Amino acid sequence: GQQVMQIPQYQHVQEGEDFTTYCNSSTTLSNIQWYKQRPGGHPVFLIQLVKSGEVKKQKRLTFQFGEAKKNSSLHITATQTTDVGTYFCAGRQNYGGATNKLIFGTGTLLAVQP
Amino acid sequence: GAVVSQHPSRVICKSGTSVKIECRSLDFQATTMFWYRQFPKKSLMLMATSNEGSKATYEQGVEKDKFLINHASLTLSTLTVTSAHPEDSSFYICSAAGYRDTEAFFGQGTRLTVV
Repeated sequence: GQQVMQIPQYQHVQEGEDFTTYCNSSTTLSNIQWYKQRPGGHPVFLIQLVKSGEVKKQKRLTFQFGEAKKNSSLHITATQTTDVGTYFCAGRQNYGGATNKLIFGTGTLLAVQP
Repeated sequence: GAVVSQHPSRVICKSGTSVKIECRSLDFQATTMFWYRQFPKKSLMLMATSNEGSKATYEQGVEKDKFLINHASLTLSTLTVTSAHPEDSSFYICSAAGYRDTEAFFGQGTRLTVV
């Protein structure tokens, strides 16, 4: 079945440093979404990328979707302590019906030291 | 964003008993709901997809007779863990998708502990 891997599994940075997590799918994705999960919380939607090579920005966060639509990245510039959490990518797999299911990546836990 | 309410948030039960978890979409009609299981410091593992008024579709390796899913209305799906065992202890989380089928809205999750 489809697998979505993320690297690194864990990243510890000093506040102000940049951070990047990479997401790779074994199959081509129709679109990719990114979620953030704080410790003890549930995943919260950040963004969706649909087009090949698409780049989107949200303040200090930059999201990219690869040309082959099999990989994606999330880059955070000048991390803050509020960025702490686990970042998941999630790829849409064609379910064959009206709604496609999301397959979550393995996640990257970000720790930010003040 | 849309609100998805999951109940209970935490439950402790004895081995052999059954536990029902509810997932409600409060302000939109969820044609499809997804049930995930998450182990500590791990990713979300999709267990099953339920569509209103039809049988759920289970992922490979998930026992349908153990994890009963019912999606009786456009706003409610339930997951029942039957004859629970300690290895069923986990964080169960639902998500709902509306007709737009874009982002997934997650419930708060249910931490199940089987003793």
